[in-house]
Order: sequence, then structure tokens, then C-alpha cells
Amino acid sequence: SQELEQSPQSLIVQEGKNLTINCTSSKTLYGLYWYKQKYGEGLIFLMMLQKGGEEKSHEKITAKLDEKKQQSSLHITASQPSHAGIYLCGADIRSNAGGTSYGKLTFGQGTILTVHP
Amino acid sequence: KAGVTQTPRYLIKTRGQQVTLSCSPISGHRSVSWYQQTPGQGLQFLFEYFSETQRNKGNFPGRFSGRQFSNSRSEMNVSTLELGDSALYLCASSLRVGTSTDTQYFGPGTRLTVL
Repeated sequence: SQELEQSPQSLIVQEGKNLTINCTSSKTLYGLYWYKQKYGEGLIFLMMLQKGGEEKSHEKITAKLDEKKQQSSLHITASQPSHAGIYLCGADIRSNAGGTSYGKLTFGQGTILTVHP
Repeated sequence: KAGVTQTPRYLIKTRGQQVTLSCSPISGHRSVSWYQQTPGQGLQFLFEYFSETQRNKGNFPGRFSGRQFSNSRSEMNVSTLELGDSALYLCASSLRVGTSTDTQYFGPGTRLTVL
């Protein structure tokens, strides 16, 4: 099974609708990153969360990390066609509390978002 | 600042050949990580370099190797190419300050096709 589970795998919404993408881990997340990718291209950094209960917003996108630091959600308000793409959560997941994971992010499988005008 | 650059953007090779991909990090960034992205396996970590030393390695065979130069530029090499090596190879750079988690900024990727 995946260390980091993303849901849903795909999402089709009408322009103007709100939507939420979830990212769940069975282990503590020491850092949680949200990226957006256009097919076949590089990842664009959206937001980073580290503290339990943390919430960040940028334009119409809000990301939260739950108190236990094992789940994050990405919420888009009033979606637009420009929001379409693949959303990926990446996380610093360590084998033990005192360990390190230098340079390694574990990624979910991604959520394909389609926004119909 | 210029972003992460990767060259070449596209490559076509045949089985058994070897290939070298290049990554130039954001100016001032000292850590470079490499990832392989395929439809079946998603994004998987290959290795990370910092100060010309490999500090972390993913579960890939020894055919996959890399190095980092004193200017932080990095290369990865795949020898004896197999069809399954066809993928988008992404590199990411970060400041790597202390032991805290650093935000990784990704390049546009190199699309490798093995025939």
C-alpha cells in the first residue's frame, strides 16, 4: 500500500464550484508539501505545512494539516479552468522520530482535476 | 532568480545504451534531489546530493547513479537502459539549511524514452 494516500484520484467539477483533495499518511508528517503539475511538466510549489493545526491560504487555495500531523487537505474555492492540473502532496516521512530524510519527499499518486467552463 | 533547469528536455535511447541527465539548481541552493515519475509508480525518489556527497538513496538498482559538482550542479546517469526506464526524470533543489525540511523546487524534467 502507498505510504501517502491521496483522494480522490480524479475530480471533475464545473467552474465556480468548491472542491477538496485529501492526503493521508499512517505515519507522522514532518513536513507536508502541495504541488501542482501540468501533464509532462515539472511540479509547481503551492504550499508547505509543518505544524499540527496549521492552515495556509494563497489566492483561492487553502491547505490544512491536522493536529495529529497525519492528514492534510487542499481546498479550492470557486474553481476556475486555470486550476486544472494534477495536484500532488509530498511529505517528509521518517522511519523514526529522531531520523532524517534528507532530500527525500514521499509523494501521493496525485489527483487529476478537470474544471469545465 | 532563475529556476531549476534540466537538460536535455527530451531523449530517445535504445535498450542497452546509457544516458546522462543534467540539473542546474537555483542559485544558492546546495541540495539536489532526483525523482523518477511513471504512470504506474508515480513519483519515486532516486537520490539526493549535498556538498558533492550522496546523502540519501531510494530503492533503485545500481544502474542509476549520480554526482554533484562543486557549483552544486548535478548529473544522473543510467547505464544499460531498459524499456522500464522510460519516464519523466525530475530534479529538485533546496537550500538545505541545517536539518530542517526544506522546500524543494522542481525543474521542468527530462522525458526519457527507451526503445
